[in-house]
Amino acid sequence: KQEVTQIPAALSVPEGENLVLNCSFTDSAIYNLQWFRQDPGKGLTSLLLIQSSQREQTSGRLNASLDKSSGRSTLYIAASQPGDSATYLCAVSSGNTPLVFGKGTRLSVIA
Amino acid sequence: DVKVTQSSRYLVKRTGEKVFLECVQDMDHENMFWYRQDPGLGLRLIYFSYDVKMKEKGDIPEGYSVSREKKERFSLILESASTNQTSMYLCASSLQGLHNEQFFGPGTRLTVL
Repeated sequence: KQEVTQIPAALSVPEGENLVLNCSFTDSAIYNLQWFRQDPGKGLTSLLLIQSSQREQTSGRLNASLDKSSGRSTLYIAASQPGDSATYLCAVSSGNTPLVFGKGTRLSVIA
Repeated sequence: DVKVTQSSRYLVKRTGEKVFLECVQDMDHENMFWYRQDPGLGLRLIYFSYDVKMKEKGDIPEGYSVSREKKERFSLILESASTNQTSMYLCASSLQGLHNEQFFGPGTRLTVL
């Protein structure tokens, strides 16, 4: 059964810092991996989707990489801003399961 | 832009009540999903539907049922609400195929007293 882990559970950084969020999964036979952002009490906003055949995807200050063989993905956020403060969720699609989610990393960017 | 809407942002119900949570999407997506999100447990799939009148159980279907009479609408039903169903409920939709990108609604915070 696919399991997704995100470490650390919480992260606090000063404004302007570049940072990396980590996601690992146990079954490397995935179709794709999706990164989401969730603000407190709100729904999920899709940030990036990486297909299993891709190595990375970029959107603005965000870059997501995928190393399927080692079961890892990273979300790189450049020049962090207070508005980036949120919980970031990683989810993988594999087998007969649409998405399996990690528990998220809660990011605080301090001005 | 894909838009997924949920009928209520906040809902308070009594134990034993029948509860309906409604979700509507406007992008003609074939798939629709219901999740619940709890602290420490993350998001867990309750049910999903890949076509009108079709449904599949997710990881935690017990205590829930669903209805999909029209393509754009997917309802989650709590036949007899219990306090352990207090949670954030999230609806999502995607194009046909199990592994397409999912788009989420704003969520419904349900409290069962």
